[in-house]
Amino acid sequence: GIQVEQSPPDLILQEGANSTLRCNFSDSVNNLQWFHQNPWGQLINLFYIPSGTKQNGRLSATTVATERYSLLYISSSQTTDSGVYFCAVDTNAGGTSYGKLTFGQGTILTVHP
Amino acid sequence: KAGVTQTPRYLIKTRGQQVTLSCSPISGHRSVSWYQQTPGQGLQFLFEYFSETQRNKGNFPGRFSGRQFSNSRSEMNVSTLELGDSALYLCASSWASGAGEQYFGPGTRLTVT
Repeated sequence: GIQVEQSPPDLILQEGANSTLRCNFSDSVNNLQWFHQNPWGQLINLFYIPSGTKQNGRLSATTVATERYSLLYISSSQTTDSGVYFCAVDTNAGGTSYGKLTFGQGTILTVHP
Repeated sequence: KAGVTQTPRYLIKTRGQQVTLSCSPISGHRSVSWYQQTPGQGLQFLFEYFSETQRNKGNFPGRFSGRQFSNSRSEMNVSTLELGDSALYLCASSWASGAGEQYFGPGTRLTVT
């Protein structure tokens, strides 16, 4: 099956700093999503971005599908940005991946005041 | 529009018992996927239902089963609980099987003692 690798595994920042999280995947995808998991465990949708670039406030994401990677940018980080960020992909390879997202191991972001 | 809801939110069971978890998708969404999250294995796909049919299944033993009703609500059942089944169980909905963005519920945290 498809492999998803996220880096770095841990990231510690001071409030106001910028950061870039990376997601590499091993096969072509028809769905790529970025999530932020809050302290209560819920996955919050950040971006649905199988290709191209999107921006939402201080967050933006870019997926280069031909090179099989995606980047999540966080600018002017705040303490509320702390948590775990996941990248997840769906290949729909041969029509056998219905509804199946494969997740990376996540990046644990800690933002200090 | 209401989000994905899951009940119960927390559950404590004893080894050998069985448990049923419920998931109500976003109105209009017909696909429901289930995931298990543990510290050791991360987020893993359990199965996906669309139009009351299981379309895809992850690599879990037969003790894990599910179903979907005509109103798209879904239940998952775990029989003969083991300590290793302690996890956060998340469900996600999307408008169609293998297509579009998945939206997650708040999860059910299951503890097996």
